[in-house]
Amino acid sequence: GAVVSQHPSRVICKSGTSVKIECRSLDFQATTMFWYRQFPKQSLMLMATSNEGSKATYEQGVEKDKFLINHASLTLSTLTVTSAHPEDSSFYICSARDLSTYNEQFFGPGTRLTVL
Amino acid sequence: AQRVTQPEKLLSVFKGAPVELKCNYSYSGSPELFWYVQYSRQRLQLLLRHISRESIKGFTADLNKGETSFHLKKPFAQEEDSAMYYCALSPDSNYQLIWGAGTKLIIKP
Repeated sequence: GAVVSQHPSRVICKSGTSVKIECRSLDFQATTMFWYRQFPKQSLMLMATSNEGSKATYEQGVEKDKFLINHASLTLSTLTVTSAHPEDSSFYICSARDLSTYNEQFFGPGTRLTVL
Repeated sequence: AQRVTQPEKLLSVFKGAPVELKCNYSYSGSPELFWYVQYSRQRLQLLLRHISRESIKGFTADLNKGETSFHLKKPFAQEEDSAMYYCALSPDSNYQLIWGAGTKLIIKP
């Protein structure tokens, strides 16, 4: 099946710094990627939908200036958490939609962000 | 409002017993429904989707529009079925997914 990678898998940063998370579709082209946030023992919360070559669509309550999304190519989307604060600590997961498999979403392994 | 409800946070059954993980949805149109599974220390992966009408790893799920349900069933549970199961709904062509809270399934030996 299709593979989606995320980098880094784990990151610890100081409060006030910015962190970039990469999401790559390794063997297929993804015109649409999704960014989720998952709190401990809770379900996934969709943050934004990232479309290649256009601006991301953010869900209500998600600050677009804080969570910058760039989908510059058909295989790469990035999420940058700007001026991170401890409350941004979470598990961030991306998924990519594969048009060749009836729009199935393939998930990355997630990135654990800890802001000190 | 669009919503997916999984009423059980935790379901524990013995090996060989039947399993049913409940999922109800709220949506006015014709949704596409999915079950995703997350095994321990692994990423989320698609288990099955209602349009496929497949049986995957012995699991089946039937969309009941009258009851707005998409329950996941398996007649004889196996220990390797222990995992977190999420029901999800796709309401539109952009294929965003609306997620249930998830049910943790534990199969006891």
